[in-house]
Amino acid sequence: QVQLQESGPGLVKPSQTLSLTCTVSGASINSGPYSWSWIRQPAGKELEWIGRIRTDGTNYNPSLKSRVTISVDSSKNQFSLKLNSVTTADTAVYYCARVNFPSSHFDFWGQGTLVTVSS
Amino acid sequence: DIQMTQSPSSLSASVGDTVTITCRANQSIDRYLNWYQQKPGTAPKLLIYAASSLQSAVPARFLGSGSGTDFTLTIRSLQPDDFATYFCQVSYNPPWTFGQGTKVEVK
Repeated sequence: QVQLQESGPGLVKPSQTLSLTCTVSGASINSGPYSWSWIRQPAGKELEWIGRIRTDGTNYNPSLKSRVTISVDSSKNQFSLKLNSVTTADTAVYYCARVNFPSSHFDFWGQGTLVTVSS
Repeated sequence: DIQMTQSPSSLSASVGDTVTITCRANQSIDRYLNWYQQKPGTAPKLLIYAASSLQSAVPARFLGSGSGTDFTLTIRSLQPDDFATYFCQVSYNPPWTFGQGTKVEVK
């Protein structure tokens, strides 16, 4: 069974960088044809796709592209999210998820981690 | 970007009812439409992918249909465990987007 687990600070100051890691178990992060995504959800609001990484590169939501980097550490079977210059609008529950092929649906999710941006 | 309009935003129903939720895209997305269920404090759970394929272990009372721009999630014989919020998701091309959500509440 594939499992994902987010980790990282729950509190980030405005203008700083939000950094989260997703640890994958039960599957190799390098095994095709899957890709790996970050999604967030502000309290009481809809889900927002942040971006994804696969063996041949990354795709980002244009609304966040200038501030986002997603990377992989294959040796640890992890992938990470960095979001620069955060504001209070970035406060949300952040989820990592596996993207299945070919219909690009999110079939396995982490439990989510709340990140609050506050001074 | 492809925009999705999901309706209704909420509905009230009783156990045993059949409920229908719709998502409409502003351009054709073939069958690249997925449905999720979310309960408070938990991650979304995949129900339907590719418009009508039932995810493993999801009860057959969940039915997805549609193609092109108009899609429907039908829940037949609503069960107590089905009171939750449901989201559609476009997976045609990045950026992928989600619908606004439909909260299914107890009447």
